[in-house]
Amino acid sequence: NAGVTQTPKFQVLKTGQSMTLQCAQDMNHEYMSWYRQDPGMGLRLIHYSVGAGITDQGEVPNGYNVSRSTTEDFPLRLLSAAPSQTSVYFCASSSPGGRNTDTQYFGPGTRLTVL
Amino acid sequence: AQSVTQLDSQVPVFEEAPVELRCNYSSSVSVYLFWYVQYPNQGLQLLLKYLSGSTLVESINGFEAEFNKSQTSFHLRKPSVHISDTAEYFCAVPLNTGNQFYFGTGTSLTVIP
Repeated sequence: NAGVTQTPKFQVLKTGQSMTLQCAQDMNHEYMSWYRQDPGMGLRLIHYSVGAGITDQGEVPNGYNVSRSTTEDFPLRLLSAAPSQTSVYFCASSSPGGRNTDTQYFGPGTRLTVL
Repeated sequence: AQSVTQLDSQVPVFEEAPVELRCNYSSSVSVYLFWYVQYPNQGLQLLLKYLSGSTLVESINGFEAEFNKSQTSFHLRKPSVHISDTAEYFCAVPLNTGNQFYFGTGTSLTVIP
């Protein structure tokens, strides 16, 4: 199993550009999430999905869109990039049970810089 | 709402010395607590978790954490650290909604040779 994969690893955007961060998992996990990591603020939840076709907002959803057309993929779209979105983005998934006790598996992250 | 507070942002410690990374939680419901570790330039990975039963939980690499209900704490300890333990450590608690988590702000552990 590859686990959770993310592409690209690094990205530089200009203000106003749009892009999609890709996330895929091969563990048949129902739950998937996107977090952003900023210095001194830990990880903050952007959006999450409890299964294909179902998504919901987390703590900091503004400026981001998600969709979940398949169990495996959970892309994150930046509609119009802003410097405040400069961050490291992590995708995570958890086991089919979706209980609070389940371990989250994280991808390696995407480091995004918006100029 | 559940949350966690990590009291130390940076902890430098000499190799083979003991270390304690502090985490306090706030929860009005049954508590599940997690410690995740992030090695440089990597994603987070589970270190250990408390779900129920024994209040002392251990990881495979020598870390342990004790759930203390009276002090609302879940501090992470290791009696003798190695250079390879240099990493960022996050305390986390599940939120009420779905399988989502609230992460603390992290503690950067630096082991000095």
